[in-house]
Amino acid sequence: AQKVTQAQTEISVVEKEDVTLDCVYETRDTTYYLFWYKQPPSGELVFLIRRNSFDEQNEISGRYSWNFQKSTSSFNFTITASQVVDSAVYFCALSGSSGGYQKVTFGIGTKLQVIP
Amino acid sequence: NAGVMQNPRHLVRRRGQEARLRCSPMKGHSHVYWYRQLPEEGLKFMVYLQKENIIDESGMPKERFSAEFPKEGPSILRIQQVVRGDSAAYFCASSPPGLAGPSGANVLTFGAGSRLTVL
Repeated sequence: AQKVTQAQTEISVVEKEDVTLDCVYETRDTTYYLFWYKQPPSGELVFLIRRNSFDEQNEISGRYSWNFQKSTSSFNFTITASQVVDSAVYFCALSGSSGGYQKVTFGIGTKLQVIP
Repeated sequence: NAGVMQNPRHLVRRRGQEARLRCSPMKGHSHVYWYRQLPEEGLKFMVYLQKENIIDESGMPKERFSAEFPKEGPSILRIQQVVRGDSAAYFCASSPPGLAGPSGANVLTFGAGSRLTVL
């Protein structure tokens, strides 16, 4: 069974603050993929990143960075110098080899509000 | 290149009626997924289909719900005899063929969703 836990249901920050969204996962698969998706107020989900379980290197893309730690089963997402346009619901997700990698399990989502 | 197209965007039904939600995958994609989003519950997997085949329907209620992805035409999620608890946003996603790793076949491209309201 796969499970993704996003303990923070809602976060509010003031613009330009840094914010970290937590994601903890559970899986019995030795090979798996982790994802982050963004759902802005318009409703459509937007893919942000995919990492496989063999690649623990942190990744940075502009103001976004991801910290993957297998030892703690975490895949946290940090937004640096947050902007109002970052306001959205962010979903962490997981797909494992037991589901043929195709069945993607999502967390409940973290609603981020960036206040101007 | 059109993305994943879902229609209708909004659908209102009375209890007992049928709801049909359509999804046209992204061009070149052969895998279709349906997810349901309820407030406070996030996205719940319902079903995964390839052309003319249901691969995994473990998340779909056994009664009243069905899905298909015919050889020609869009994928359809059908809900019969709707009840108020079916009110939700239903998202369709698609992914390319091939293995998850090299081809990114498990990177889902989502549609804008269909919001069903049952009165």
